[in-house]
Amino acid sequence: GAVVSQHPSWVICKSGTSVKIECRSLDFQATTMFWYRQFPKQSLMLMATSNEGSKATYEQGVEKDKFLINHASLTLSTLTVTSAHPEDSSFYICSATSGQDYTFGSGTRLTVV
Amino acid sequence: TQLLEQSPQFLSIQEGENLTVYCNSSSVFSSLQWYRQEPGEGPVLLVTVVTGGEVKKLKRLTFQFGDARKDSSLHITAAQPGDTGLYLCAGVAGTYKYIFGTGTRLKVLA
Repeated sequence: GAVVSQHPSWVICKSGTSVKIECRSLDFQATTMFWYRQFPKQSLMLMATSNEGSKATYEQGVEKDKFLINHASLTLSTLTVTSAHPEDSSFYICSATSGQDYTFGSGTRLTVV
Repeated sequence: TQLLEQSPQFLSIQEGENLTVYCNSSSVFSSLQWYRQEPGEGPVLLVTVVTGGEVKKLKRLTFQFGDARKDSSLHITAAQPGDTGLYLCAGVAGTYKYIFGTGTRLKVLA
């Protein structure tokens, strides 16, 4: 089946620094990738949708300058949390689709101290 | 804004009991999916329902899509501790865009 790899699985960073999270589709070409944020014991909130080679579409209330998304190839999308603050601490999950499969990554737990 | 409300939010039951989780919206979805998520992991797809009124069974799990494609239910028969997890419904809103429900946290006690 389709596999999506997300890296790192967890990261701790200092306030004010930037963190990059990678999402890779290992065995299929992902025309569209999605980034979600999940707070403890809550559901997934869609942050943005990215299509290969074009700018990401951000959901209302998501700061595009703070959460930089790059979908440079059909197998890789990255989410960079810039100037991270403690309130950015969360579980970030990506998912990818080729139009048929829709698969989630295993998530990245970000802790900003 | 499209919203998917799930009920109940939390459910703690004894092994062997039956339960039903509901997913409701005022919006129509072209399809709806159910996922289960373990702590610290990404959601895992359980089922996709597409047709209004459709019923799908996955072992002890029964999924139903409402006739108007605005709601869905998940029924678990004879729950087991391994069923413990966060259950999420997700409606397809537009091309490939999924809106997730508020989630139902299930705990099955042995």
